[in-house]
Amino acid sequence: TQLLEQSPQFLSIQEGENLTVYCNSSSVFSSLQWYRQEPGEGPVLLVTVVTGGEVKKLKRLTFQFGDARKDSSLHITAAQPGDTGLYLCAGAPKTSYDKVIFGPGTSLSVIP
Amino acid sequence: SQTIHQWPATLVQPVGSPLSLECTVEGTSNPNLYWYRQAAGRGLQLLFYSIGIDQISSEVPQNLSASRPQDRQFILSSKKLLLSDSGFYLCAWSWQGEQYFGPGTRLTVT
Repeated sequence: TQLLEQSPQFLSIQEGENLTVYCNSSSVFSSLQWYRQEPGEGPVLLVTVVTGGEVKKLKRLTFQFGDARKDSSLHITAAQPGDTGLYLCAGAPKTSYDKVIFGPGTSLSVIP
Repeated sequence: SQTIHQWPATLVQPVGSPLSLECTVEGTSNPNLYWYRQAAGRGLQLLFYSIGIDQISSEVPQNLSASRPQDRQFILSSKKLLLSDSGFYLCAWSWQGEQYFGPGTRLTVT
């Protein structure tokens, strides 16, 4: 069974600080996605990484896919209160796009 | 552009009552469709997914069922709700592994 683990589970930081959250697995994925979810809403896709070693930047967010395509990280620079939310990683197994596996999420709170 | 709708947005139902949640997608054909349940502030539990009309896979044995009577309609049902069915229900469609979610239905079973 393929599993995705995320760390930390909870993170509370002050506005302006930097942070990194991690998504790890023992399995290889053909692609990996990061989502952000705000309370009471559905998750929203932030980015998809496909190539091992790939780095993508979205304003203050930097996403990296591990060389072996088993792990990923999300780094936020100068966090703002608007970054608060649940960050979920999800991976598409090599064999199929039909079933995407979600990690348990990292709950981020940015304090003004 | 593609849009996904869910209704109702919130629902309070007594134990033992039936359930029907509806999800529709616009702007795409033959999408893969998914039902997830989410406990407060945590990850997503895949309940059902469908790759086509009347083609549904169940991931978790329980008192819920799903149907896909039309290409872009996905329905989650129960004949008798349990307290443990409370949660946030999300419908999604996908394209090449990327999932696009509806606004969700908050179900409270009392």
